[in-house]
Amino acid sequence: DAGVIQSPRHEVTEMGQEVTLRCKPISGHDYLFWYRQTMMRGLELLIYFNNNVPIDDSGMPEDRFSAKMPNASFSTLKIQPSEPRDSAVYFCASSLGGVKTDTQYFGPGTRLTVL
Amino acid sequence: AQKITQTQPGMFVQEKEAVTLDCTYDTSDPSYGLFWYKQPSSGEMIFLIYQGSYDQQNATEGRYSLNFQKARKSANLVISASQLGDSAMYFCAMRAGYGGSQGNLIFGKGTKLSVKP
Repeated sequence: DAGVIQSPRHEVTEMGQEVTLRCKPISGHDYLFWYRQTMMRGLELLIYFNNNVPIDDSGMPEDRFSAKMPNASFSTLKIQPSEPRDSAVYFCASSLGGVKTDTQYFGPGTRLTVL
Repeated sequence: AQKITQTQPGMFVQEKEAVTLDCTYDTSDPSYGLFWYKQPSSGEMIFLIYQGSYDQQNATEGRYSLNFQKARKSANLVISASQLGDSAMYFCAMRAGYGGSQGNLIFGKGTKLSVKP
């Protein structure tokens, strides 16, 4: 089975531009998570979905960030407009269920650099 | 508040020796899951091992084992017979809480393990 797929793997953009990160979860997984990793803040949850519905978006930093999951096999995280402080590695993860025993499997991440 | 603490920013171990990476956690939830992930220099997050709060036995997965001491709220990762490929960042994480919050994986700051030949 293919793991979580993310694209692009690297993105370099200029401040003010729109950035769209993409994720395909593991087939059959009902939960999808977006995390951000920075040196200062470590790994932090941005938002997660259950059956394509956003459940907890309290980690989304501000209105410049939005996430969608139009179907069970695709999700996007959009930043508009981007700022240099958005530079980070963005991970998508998926799990079979949402309970505490369910393992989250991570994609390879997208390294975003905003100049 | 839920929290994961990893007190060792960096560790060295000689190849073929065992090493223990420390993790303590804090939650008032009696039901929780504890996870360890490995992040090599290439950047991906690799799941290693899981321990449930109600599990009676310590989890093991190949060379990885979890030393779970519930009363002390610790979940240390033990890697036996270290290999050069074990050099990486290791993160301890927890899922706890109720309702929507139980989806959240809370991570520690990580421990950088270096295996010396």
